[in-house]
Amino acid sequence: EAQVTQNPRYLITVTGKKLTVTCSQNMNHEYMSWYRQDPGLGLRQIYYSMNVEVTDKGDVPEGYKVSRKEKRNFPLILESPSPNQTSLYFCASRFRGQGYEQYFGPGTRLTVT
Amino acid sequence: GENVEQHPSTLSVQEGDSAVIKCTYSDSASNYFPWYKQELGKRPQLIIDIRSNVGEKKDQRIAVTLNKTAKHFSLHITETQPEDSAVYFCAAILTGTASKLTFGTGTRLQVTL
Repeated sequence: EAQVTQNPRYLITVTGKKLTVTCSQNMNHEYMSWYRQDPGLGLRQIYYSMNVEVTDKGDVPEGYKVSRKEKRNFPLILESPSPNQTSLYFCASRFRGQGYEQYFGPGTRLTVT
Repeated sequence: GENVEQHPSTLSVQEGDSAVIKCTYSDSASNYFPWYKQELGKRPQLIIDIRSNVGEKKDQRIAVTLNKTAKHFSLHITETQPEDSAVYFCAAILTGTASKLTFGTGTRLQVTL
């Protein structure tokens, strides 16, 4: 089954404790991205990657890191989480040159206390 | 970069009525405009899209119209049903580039009985 998976789905953590949210897709998509969703602000892109070892900042990259060592995986790293990073996070992937339908993961609800 | 504005932010209609959600975009070069539906607690999913060489596209009870001159596009849902209740996001992108998919801030549609 074609899908984007994320883990964990829910996470409560404390300020300053490093965490990683994993994202994996099995559709051989080149393009992957991370969004955060906050009430009234829609979906804002954090980082994106056009292919292995190619990443770039989105609209709200501060406080986040990403890596793309393999085509299928695109982890999101919060080195020192803060309460303003409490949000719902979505990973997404798509092909670069066909259709442009973007497939979203199930979301990770992160709470930083 | 691209900027997408979406209105209204909330919309309540009675079952069987029509609903219209409107978006405007800033970059006249954008040429692909998808709409995503996000049910409560779920991930966004593509419901319909339109390319800039088409003025209207229809799929059963949903349709999208595009006015390139005015740089706006709209989602039309006819004969609304309770299962249409969700948050709807419009988006815009210039295909074939490294540009990101820019989302509107979302419209919460409530279909009442």
